[in-house]
Amino acid sequence: AQKVTQAQTEISVVEKEDVTLDCVYETRDTTYYLFWYKQPPSGELVFLIRRNSFDEQNEISGRYSWNFQKSTSSFNFTITASQVVDSAVYFCALRSGNTGKLIFGQGTTLQVKP
Amino acid sequence: NAGVTQTPKFQVLKTGQSMTLQCAQDMNHEYMSWYRQDPGMGLRLIHYSVGAGITDQGEVPNGYNVSRSTTEDFPLRLLSAAPSQTSVYFCASSYSEGVSGLNTEAFFGQGTRLTVV
Repeated sequence: AQKVTQAQTEISVVEKEDVTLDCVYETRDTTYYLFWYKQPPSGELVFLIRRNSFDEQNEISGRYSWNFQKSTSSFNFTITASQVVDSAVYFCALRSGNTGKLIFGQGTTLQVKP
Repeated sequence: NAGVTQTPKFQVLKTGQSMTLQCAQDMNHEYMSWYRQDPGMGLRLIHYSVGAGITDQGEVPNGYNVSRSTTEDFPLRLLSAAPSQTSVYFCASSYSEGVSGLNTEAFFGQGTRLTVV
């Protein structure tokens, strides 16, 4: 079975704090893809990052960074020096095989207070 | 390019009515899928398609039908609307990259907010 767990339902931080959003996944496939999406209050889904199962390099993009660890089946997302505009729901998702199907976690609502 | 276009953006139905949510993409993507988003449950897959003429069920297919007669269009039909189908519906498309066959990220439409009363 494939599953994505985002154990943190809601996180509240004060602006400029660092925050890490956790994502744990389950799959028996050896080839899979992991994604993070942001859903701001306006409702659209914004793609943030894609990771392939054979590429465990961590990635940094500005204030965003991702830590992919196959040993613990985790793909965590860190926002450094958070800003109010980071307030959104963040989804981690898993895809196995070439079908286009995504398995989403329940989402983490991040509130950044000024 | 318009990307993935969903219509309508909002809809109110009465219980028992039927309707079709439209989804069109102009990127020639082979993969398309429909999700519903409910509070606290993330997005759940309803139906998906790996190419024109090919569809399959996802996690929550009951009460919905799909067809894929062209690469561009992937309509979702509600056969007899029920209050439990009140949700936000998202359509998405993606493709496999070149020789590697690696899947791209999913490109999502803006969503359709459906209320069944």
